[in-house]
Amino acid sequence: GEDVEQSLFLSVREGDSSVINCTYTDSSSTYLYWYKQEPGAGLQLLTYIFSNMDMKQDQRLTVLLNKKDKHLSLRIADTQTGDSAIYFCAEIYGQNFVFGPGTRLSVLP
Amino acid sequence: DADVTQTPRNRITKTGKRIMLECSQTKGHDRMYWYRQDPGLGLRLIYYSFDVKDINKGEISDGYSVSRQAQAKFSLSLESAIPNQTALYFCATSDQGAETQYFGPGTRLLVL
Repeated sequence: GEDVEQSLFLSVREGDSSVINCTYTDSSSTYLYWYKQEPGAGLQLLTYIFSNMDMKQDQRLTVLLNKKDKHLSLRIADTQTGDSAIYFCAEIYGQNFVFGPGTRLSVLP
Repeated sequence: DADVTQTPRNRITKTGKRIMLECSQTKGHDRMYWYRQDPGLGLRLIYYSFDVKDINKGEISDGYSVSRQAQAKFSLSLESAIPNQTALYFCATSDQGAETQYFGPGTRLLVL
């Protein structure tokens, strides 16, 4: 079946850049997503990238897509304590969404 | 007001009890989904519905059932709850052809 993989934990210091990585298996996915889940809350769409793009930038967020390697990354510049959360990578597989296990980002002072 | 709401937000129940989790949306979306979240496993799809007459099993439907009472409502039932159904449950919606899902705040269920 379809599989989306992410490392489970990442720690960075406040002010540094964070890079969260994801690999997926369905090369036909049209969209790939990053969701953010803050403690006690649901998932909130952070950003997404269409499969014919290599990069998308939105303020402090940069998404890079390497279709050949089926690798997606999310870079957060100038990471702040408010960025501490779980970040989920997701893709569309058929007509449904497949989520990775989530990467818990901890921002250290 | 939230676009996707879930009730209850928290529930503790005992093994063997029947439990219903409710989801309502005001977004007018046709598609609704139920997921469960477990630490280190991400979100796994339980059931989904693309319109009122459409119900489909997801990856982990055993032990669960659903009812799509109206376009805006999609409920999840555990007929006889067991402890390994302890998890965080999320409802989500999407519009046909849309590129993203919108999530409710989640229901935290503990089965003793």
